[in-house]
Order: sequence, then C-alpha cells, then structure tokens
Amino acid sequence: DTAVSQTPKYLVTQMGNDKSIKCEQNLGHDTMYWYKQDSKKFLKIMFSYNNKELIINETVPNRFSPKSPDKAHLNLHINSLELGDSAVYFCASSQETSGRPEQYFGPGTRLTVT
Amino acid sequence: QQQVKQSPQSLIVQKGGISIINCAYENTAFDYFPWYQQFPGKGPALLIAIRPDVSEKKEGRFTISFNKSAKQFSLHIMDSQPGDSATYFCAARKAAGNKLTFGGGTRVLVKP
Repeated sequence: DTAVSQTPKYLVTQMGNDKSIKCEQNLGHDTMYWYKQDSKKFLKIMFSYNNKELIINETVPNRFSPKSPDKAHLNLHINSLELGDSAVYFCASSQETSGRPEQYFGPGTRLTVT
Repeated sequence: QQQVKQSPQSLIVQKGGISIINCAYENTAFDYFPWYQQFPGKGPALLIAIRPDVSEKKEGRFTISFNKSAKQFSLHIMDSQPGDSATYFCAARKAAGNKLTFGGGTRVLVKP
C-alpha cells in the first residue's frame, strides 16, 4: 500500500495552460505539504495544510493554489503555466498533533512546460 | 540566504569505505535535523534524524553527529555499499508549521 501517492507521475503541457496535481495519503496524518524540486535538485517548501487549514504559504506566485478537500488529500492547481514552473513537485505528510515531526514524501510529479 | 549549507556536492567512495556529508545551519530556532535519501525518479525517504539535545545517533550503518555550539551536523555512512548510491539531503526544522529547510544535496556514488 502506497503511503503518499501523487497523480500524475508525469505532466507535459504548454505555456499558458492550467493543470492540477493530486496527492493522497493513507497514513492518517493531519498535515500535508507541497515541495518543489528544481533542476539542480534543490528542495523548497511551497505550502502546508493542517486539517484543511493553510499553515505555510511561502513566497509562491499566486498562480499556484493549493486545495485540501479533507485531511487525506491535498491538490495543487497551477494557472497560466510558465517555463520556470518545470520541476518535480513532491507532496508530503506528517502527524502534527502527536508532535511527530517526520515527513513522508510521495513519489513526485515531474512537470514539464514547453 | 541559504539557511542550511551542505557539502560536498558530490562524493565518490569505494565499497566498504566511509561516506561523510556535512551540514551547517544558521538559525538557532531549528529543533530537529533529519537526513533524507533520494534515488533517481523517487521521492526523498527519511533516513535518520536527530534533536539538538543529542550529540550522536546511530541506526545501522548510518550515524549522525551533531555539534550544537558549532551549528553543524554530519552524516556518516559506514561500510558504504553500491546500493547506497543516491542523493542525500540534510534538513533543519522550525517547530512552527513543522517547516523543513533543506540543504543543497550531496550525490554519493559508491564504486564496487
């Protein structure tokens, strides 16, 4: 059973399009995150949600909009895609209320904008 | 401003050797320091972690050494194996929001 899953694994699209990435975790965690890994492998947090409430919102363009329909799901919608958005996007989850800091990552979605 | 600096960027070690990766941080508010292992095409996987009240933690062949006064910590991989070839990331956490700040990564290649 996959603990943190993401769909799709690969996404190729043209500039200006709108796309969504979905994430689901079956760990029973209450906090979920989106990270961006650029071409140099640098990992940076974008957003985090705790029980559907936005907790962290880094300096990310407002073309990126996360949505958490419930605590097991966190989706990322990107409007008006740009070349610079090409990266691997990782979802992660953790259990905040038990004070456990461990974050578990999904397999990633490789987004290529042409 | 890079809050967590990781070195070296890449490392080649012979099978059976010791791989050492170093990280330095600036923010004394960090309270938890994990290491992640990432294979090509996969997500980062939590390897081992330490809190600043402990100077060393060992799990199997992996050891974290932590120097709070120097604001440095390191990962030692003992008896390195070809299957350890991966990119390793250190990270540091601020408790508020459980926010992780990652180092730049170290690509480790273990030669048979």
